[in-house]
Amino acid sequence: GAVVSQHPSWVICKSGTSVKIECRSLDFQATTMFWYRQFPKQSLMLMATSNEGSKATYEQGVEKDKFLINHASLTLSTLTVTSAHPEDSSFYICSPQNVAPGREETQYFGPGTRLLVL
Amino acid sequence: GQSLEQPSEVTAVEGAIVQINCTYQTSGFYGLSWYQQHDGGAPTFLSYNALDGLEETGRFSSFLSRSDSYGYLLLQELQMKDSASYFCASKAAGNKLTFGGGTRVLVKP
Repeated sequence: GAVVSQHPSWVICKSGTSVKIECRSLDFQATTMFWYRQFPKQSLMLMATSNEGSKATYEQGVEKDKFLINHASLTLSTLTVTSAHPEDSSFYICSPQNVAPGREETQYFGPGTRLLVL
Repeated sequence: GQSLEQPSEVTAVEGAIVQINCTYQTSGFYGLSWYQQHDGGAPTFLSYNALDGLEETGRFSSFLSRSDSYGYLLLQELQMKDSASYFCASKAAGNKLTFGGGTRVLVKP
């Protein structure tokens, strides 16, 4: 399968600080990046979709000014949680879309970043 | 909008067969995917059905009936390592996935 990395794998921060999460697709190019959030014992919820070189599209209920997404290249996307609060504590998972012919149906996920805001 | 329903938990013994059903109500449905997620880990892709019928991949099989808005994941010859959460997810335009609530499978010796 495809190799996707996320950094950091886990982070603990104080309320009010900002946290940047990086997602890299290591062996394929991703024109589209999906960012998901998963609270404990719940399902994955799509937060936003970003296309390389353009602004991200956010799902209903997700604040675009709080969750800043940058997709500057085909192999790197970042999610910044600004002014994090305890309710932002969650498991954040990126999912780059593989554009190679025949591979579009398989959607890979990064290993996730566990965020704990104190 | 899109919604998917699947059982919350299933318990079975090693060697048994488990079927996880998933019913969906979606608009712009392209296909149904299945993912496995172990505690603390990220989801891993298991299968994808775009057309009606059964797809078999080793011990796991997945089925889709578009007319019934229904699919299932079949886990055969259960092993302890299969204890995990399993999610069905519908694919829509732009390859967006909407996930079901997940089914926690507990395999007992």
